[in-house]
Amino acid sequence: DTEVTQTPKHLVMGMTNKKSLKCEQHMGHRAMYWYKQKAKKPPELMFVYSYEKLSINESVPSRFSPECPNSSLLNLHLHALQPEDSALYLCASSQRTGNTEAFFGQGTRLTVV
Amino acid sequence: GEDVEQSLFLSVREGDSSVINCTYTDSSSTYLYWYKQEPGAGLQLLTYIFSNMDMKQDQRLTVLLNKKDKHLSLRIADTQTGDSAIYFCAVYSSASKIIFGSGTRLSIRP
Repeated sequence: DTEVTQTPKHLVMGMTNKKSLKCEQHMGHRAMYWYKQKAKKPPELMFVYSYEKLSINESVPSRFSPECPNSSLLNLHLHALQPEDSALYLCASSQRTGNTEAFFGQGTRLTVV
Repeated sequence: GEDVEQSLFLSVREGDSSVINCTYTDSSSTYLYWYKQEPGAGLQLLTYIFSNMDMKQDQRLTVLLNKKDKHLSLRIADTQTGDSAIYFCAVYSSASKIIFGSGTRLSIRP
């Protein structure tokens, strides 16, 4: 099983809403990642968690708040987003950070209105 | 910082081989990946190669690595219409990040 599951698949939210994206894996991986992908662009790293601790924050605005409640789950809490935050949000996991296979989920397509 | 470059487009005839090229700058990258992305979908890990390898073959896919020139290629044999997608080269950088190239859009001509 090399599956990373993301929910929801699509999300439309207003600029005053609070919503959360969820990512789950059951491969025993201890590194999990959030990436943002705009149309026709490559994915860009947002956050890295290693052993449930935040290890990399790529200067992401505080309206994005990640959380790793356990080794299988990764959340991304969204609050007061802007229309330019509309994108495909991808979660990934790997056995550990540093040179291992990394598997991606299908993404959540977020539209901010 | 780390940079990964790919050409943006490739068009091949159905049944021919496709070769997608990638160059990177971080010589300490020991894991190099090829991902496939179909429209509206996530990233599918196609294959990967360790930097101590020159070549890896997996069914219709062949990855060649020239570590001296920091050049990676993906060859798809007998290209089919289902191979139409964007192909991303990616490297695991020394800063514990997966860095992606801009992606190569592969289109198949009948």
